[in-house]
Amino acid sequence: AQSVTQLDSQVPVFEEAPVELRCNYSSSVSVYLFWYVQYPNQGLQLLLKYLSGSTLVKGINGFEAEFNKSQTSFHLRKPSVHISDTAEYFCAVSYVSGSARQLTFGSGTQLTVLP
Amino acid sequence: SAVISQKPSRDICQRGTSLTIQCQVDSQVTMMFWYRQQPGQSLTLIATANQGSEATYESGFVIDKFPISRPNLTFSTLTVSNMSPEDSSIYLCSVEILAGTNEQYFGPGTRLTVT
Repeated sequence: AQSVTQLDSQVPVFEEAPVELRCNYSSSVSVYLFWYVQYPNQGLQLLLKYLSGSTLVKGINGFEAEFNKSQTSFHLRKPSVHISDTAEYFCAVSYVSGSARQLTFGSGTQLTVLP
Repeated sequence: SAVISQKPSRDICQRGTSLTIQCQVDSQVTMMFWYRQQPGQSLTLIATANQGSEATYESGFVIDKFPISRPNLTFSTLTVSNMSPEDSSIYLCSVEILAGTNEQYFGPGTRLTVT
């Protein structure tokens, strides 16, 4: 079965510091990759996506991610975080399964930005 | 993108009863999905709901427990039947915007507590 691993369940970081949230996936086939953010008591919001083309993708709120096929990774980065970035972040991978695509989520990383 | 609404936003129900959750989208979409997010956990796909056909359920989920309707391209319902405290979760619907990519946009979720 395909899997998505978010290596850090919790990441505390001080305001204005850089942050990287790690995501690795297992796949020998082509994938589409996504990062979602979930603020407290809200649904999921799409941060950014990789479908094809440039391996460095930019998303909303100053986030970016780099697709590394050889390392099967899609790490999320932000050069300077704000208090408002405190939220749960989910990496998701879309695999081809038979005739359908399945979206598989990682376990999530809680980013806490400290003043 | 798409604007997705869910009703109710939250509910507290007694065990043995059933709750129907509604999902409304502001545009016509082919693929709609229902997920469960148990407390402190990631998302688990319950089923895929396509208009004009029976819903496709994931392993561990059955139609008798989670019946789904998809009467048109903008609306779907999920019923949680014969509820127990273990059904306490956030239930989210999502839609696929770009066909074939599994790029999904999510509703705000329905927070269900079963007592």
